[in-house]
Amino acid sequence: NAGVTQTPKFQVLKTGQSMTLQCAQDMNHNSMYWYRQDPGMGLRLIYYSASEGTTDKGEVPNGYNVSRLNKREFSLRLESAAPSQTSVYFCASRQETQYFGPGTRLLVL
Amino acid sequence: QKEVEQNSGPLSVPEGAIASLNCTYSDRGSQSFFWYRQYSGKSPELIMFIYSNGDKEDGRFTAQLNKASQYVSLLIRDSQPSDSATYLCALLFGGGGNKLTFGTGTQLKVEL
Repeated sequence: NAGVTQTPKFQVLKTGQSMTLQCAQDMNHNSMYWYRQDPGMGLRLIYYSASEGTTDKGEVPNGYNVSRLNKREFSLRLESAAPSQTSVYFCASRQETQYFGPGTRLLVL
Repeated sequence: QKEVEQNSGPLSVPEGAIASLNCTYSDRGSQSFFWYRQYSGKSPELIMFIYSNGDKEDGRFTAQLNKASQYVSLLIRDSQPSDSATYLCALLFGGGGNKLTFGTGTQLKVEL
């Protein structure tokens, strides 16, 4: 099992560009999550999906959209990237316990 | 008020000593508690979870939960330099909640 996978690992964007971060899990988990992690701020929840077909806002949803494509896949989209979105993004999935993907490091210039 | 509080550290302990990491929380409805370890530049990795009051041991790690006092601790016995990392406490509210709430983490340094 690969667990939780994320693509890409690194990305550099210019302000105003758009991109989609991909996440997939092969553990048959119902719930999936997107977090961002910034120095001194800890993990902050952007969006989550409790089950296939549902999505809900987390703590910091502004500037992001998500799609729960199927049970395995949960994508995060930045429609118009801003320097404030420079961060490390983690996807996670959970049944009883929560597992994280390796992360995507995003730099917005 | 933050829902999960952790001392940011760094907490420095000598090799072979016991490291004690603490976490307090504000919501008495919290039912499940998790400890994650995060190495610099890596993703959080689950170490242990605990649901019931008391101690839970797994190898060199012991999680302690006291719901009445609203704290959860992680003890690391025989600390090794490889234990140097940031330790994140997380909790899950009861009532069918789906979101973990994380503390900001405690940095542990195990010195030779």
